[in-house]
Amino acid sequence: QKEVEQDPGPLSVPEGAIVSLNCTYSNSAFQYFMWYRQYSRKGPELLMYTYSSGNKEDGRFTAQVDKSSKYISLFIRDSQPSDSATYLCAMSAVNRDDKIIFGKGTRLHILP
Amino acid sequence: EAGVTQFPSHSVIEKGQTVTLRCDPISGHDNLYWYRRVMGKEIKFLLHFVKESKQDESGMPNNRFLAERTGGTYSTLKVQPAELEDSGVYFCASSRRASGGADTQYFGPGTRLTVL
Repeated sequence: QKEVEQDPGPLSVPEGAIVSLNCTYSNSAFQYFMWYRQYSRKGPELLMYTYSSGNKEDGRFTAQVDKSSKYISLFIRDSQPSDSATYLCAMSAVNRDDKIIFGKGTRLHILP
Repeated sequence: EAGVTQFPSHSVIEKGQTVTLRCDPISGHDNLYWYRRVMGKEIKFLLHFVKESKQDESGMPNNRFLAERTGGTYSTLKVQPAELEDSGVYFCASSRRASGGADTQYFGPGTRLTVL
């Protein structure tokens, strides 16, 4: 069983829609949960991170962590064509100096 | 502030040859990481330097891979001899030294390695 499972997509939604991305994981030692965004031919860029369970909101983006279910989500409201990218869920144990374990990434297309 | 830079951006070599990838972290970042993405797979951790010391090299696939960070600044990752399965994108990331907390890992654009 992979440590982190993420549907690779692609996921296509119309502009303005709410996008829901999610991952499941198996390692209960994970404490930090992150979402990275990666544009083509670029490196991953951190969007948001959450420590332990709970929600975090930043503008149009909301990250949710449910440690009891080992399930994390990223919601994008009022999606824009510029949000089209690959979204990677990522996790680390103990502290964020630790190595990051990534999901495969979900390719998202926002249709104008 | 300049970001993490990697050189070359793309390398095409033949099986059995040697390739050296270079990473320049963000100035002042003690942590330096190497990751790799093989086609169709997730990005996977290779190793972690704190300054010039290897903190964790549990992800290094085998002894054909040698990473160095002399002087605690830039790092090199040498593959010798290269095999077909080494093809992929090699990412470098850096972060400040966290003290009881955490700091963001900033990623470079990656080096795309193709072994023919």
